[in-house]
Amino acid sequence: GDSVTQMEGPVTLSEEAFLTINCTYTATGYPSLFWYVQYPGEGLQLLLKATKADDKGSNKGFEATYRKETTSFHLEKGSVQVSDSAVYFCALSDHKTSYDKVIFGPGTSLSVIP
Amino acid sequence: DAGITQSPRHKVTETGTPVTLRCHQTENHRYMYWYRQDPGHGLRLIHYSYGVKDTDKGEVSDGYSVSRSKTEDFLLTLESATSSQTSVYFCAISVGLPGNTIYFGEGSWLTVV
Repeated sequence: GDSVTQMEGPVTLSEEAFLTINCTYTATGYPSLFWYVQYPGEGLQLLLKATKADDKGSNKGFEATYRKETTSFHLEKGSVQVSDSAVYFCALSDHKTSYDKVIFGPGTSLSVIP
Repeated sequence: DAGITQSPRHKVTETGTPVTLRCHQTENHRYMYWYRQDPGHGLRLIHYSYGVKDTDKGEVSDGYSVSRSKTEDFLLTLESATSSQTSVYFCAISVGLPGNTIYFGEGSWLTVV
């Protein structure tokens, strides 16, 4: 079945460091891929998405490219800030007959220290 | 902002009591979902709805029921709350084609004592 694998962390970085969170997936169809971010005590916010191969999603300095050949959707940011401290979830969505089946990775906790 | 409101946001209840969580959306989207989030288990789908009065079970539906009598409201009921149902509950909606995007509400923190 469909699945998402991502590094679980926790990841600790100094402010202005480069961030990469790896995400790989397995899917039988042609899913859409997403990154969600969850700040403490809050819900999941959509960070970025890509709906087909070679699409690049970007938002707030974060980027991820849909790589079908490597089944990957790695999240990157060139210079992290303390405010980026959160849990990041990689996910895929595959539309079924009556709903959108969404598979989430386990989440990666990121702490950015000044 | 996907226009999703959950209520209550926080609740403490006793074992054996029924509890209803409400999800309200403002944009008439067809698909709505209830998830629970637990450490070590991530997000798991409880129930979903694909229209008024059209609902179906997700992967962890035991002990839960849902109703959708209006497009904008999706109710989750814990028929007889147990401590294992202490969790954070998120409502979500699907928006757009192709590659429907799931947007989440802010969550309802439920503690069963």
